[in-house]
Amino acid sequence: QVQLQESGPGLMKPSQTLSLTCSVSGGSISSGGYYWSWIRQHPGKGLEWLGYIYYTGSTDYNPSLKSRVNLSLDTSKNQFSLKLSSVTAADTAVYYCAREGRYCTNGVCYSWFDSWGQGTLVTVSS
Amino acid sequence: QSVLTQPPSASGTPGQRVTISCSGSSSNIGRNTVSWYQQFPGTAPKLLIYSNNQWSSGVPDRFSGSKSGTSASLAISGLQSEDEADYYCAAWDDSLSGPVFGGGTKLTVL
Repeated sequence: QVQLQESGPGLMKPSQTLSLTCSVSGGSISSGGYYWSWIRQHPGKGLEWLGYIYYTGSTDYNPSLKSRVNLSLDTSKNQFSLKLSSVTAADTAVYYCAREGRYCTNGVCYSWFDSWGQGTLVTVSS
Repeated sequence: QSVLTQPPSASGTPGQRVTISCSGSSSNIGRNTVSWYQQFPGTAPKLLIYSNNQWSSGVPDRFSGSKSGTSASLAISGLQSEDEADYYCAAWDDSLSGPVFGGGTKLTVL
């Protein structure tokens, strides 16, 4: 069973760049078939998809954050990472890495997140 | 503001059947499949239902999902105190080219 674990700083100052890493065990991120994603949850709020990276290195990002988000892969370490630039207090949230299963056929897209990290709280404060 | 709309709260008594709705549009639920997640305080969401009505591994069949048009529902029958949690729906959105979520429904077992 695949397991994901986030790591990174818990406290950031405004304007800094947030860097988080997700370590994957029990499965290879290079095997294909899954999309490796970042999702965040503001305190007491719902879930917000930030972006995904595929094992080929192809990425896509939420348009609302596209100018500030960058995802990367390190297949040698079986990890993928998130960088979010110019953080503000509005970026204070629990950040989750997750594995998305997805396929599209006959104009219908099937998408689901079947494995999640435990989440890491990132607080942005001066 | 979440793309998918869920009622903020729902409640029921033990043994009852409760339903949580999720409303979207033609670019998400109307075209693509829906998944449902259960989240307890301080923990990560857990996949319950995918592809509208398929159970994730280990999920009891008291939980069931359905979809009609641009709306979907999660039903929980034989409600138990351990079902008290937040529930989220999600679907792929063709306009966003990414997944979108509902704002979540807090289920209280009275």
